[in-house]
Amino acid sequence: EVQLVESGGGLVQPGDSLRLSCAVPGFIFSGYWMTWVRQTPGKGLEWVANIKPDGSETYYVDSVRGRFTISRDNTKNSLYLEITNLRAEDTAVYYCARERQRANDYWGQGTLVTVSS
Amino acid sequence: DIVMTQSPDSLAVSLGERAIINCKSSQSVLSSSNNQNYLGWYQQKPGQPPKLLISWASTRESGVPDRFSGSGSGTDFTLTISSLQAEDVAIYYCQQYYGNPPWPFGQGTKVEIK
Repeated sequence: EVQLVESGGGLVQPGDSLRLSCAVPGFIFSGYWMTWVRQTPGKGLEWVANIKPDGSETYYVDSVRGRFTISRDNTKNSLYLEITNLRAEDTAVYYCARERQRANDYWGQGTLVTVSS
Repeated sequence: DIVMTQSPDSLAVSLGERAIINCKSSQSVLSSSNNQNYLGWYQQKPGQPPKLLISWASTRESGVPDRFSGSGSGTDFTLTISSLQAEDVAIYYCQQYYGNPPWPFGQGTKVEIK
């Protein structure tokens, strides 16, 4: 069974840094592109970043480039998202998702990041 | 960057009736090299992550009921629920994945029972 389990969210202050993790048992993690998508409370979905299977290519939405870093450790079947200089507008549920031919066919349950002083 | 616009923002349909959701891309998402439209549809129910319903504009995922269908090409796409069931109440999103990322989603369409 394909499972994706995010962790690392919580209440943080503006300017803080955070690392989100996504544990991926259940499939050959190293064979897939992986994606982070976020959803602000009551709002729609925002594609954030993705990473190639070997980690050699990454892409970001303009609004996070320079503050967010996506990475992966294929030996640990894990995906990460480092976020620096957190802002109120980064408050969201962050989902990790597997890509299959570019569409996201499996998603985790998400981890909530709340940025507030 | 490509912008995705869905219409309507919400709709209320009677049980058993048809629901139609539109999605318009600011640029064509049709590839001339493989004649595929790089467009997916997702369903999100309250408290749940999105679920992929349709990829390549019209290919249903395994296990998705055949009352869901996708159509369109180039810049204009449609998701049709042929006979709305109570369990179809959700927000539906389109997403383009043409070219290099980012791959934006539409703003979502909320489907309710009339």
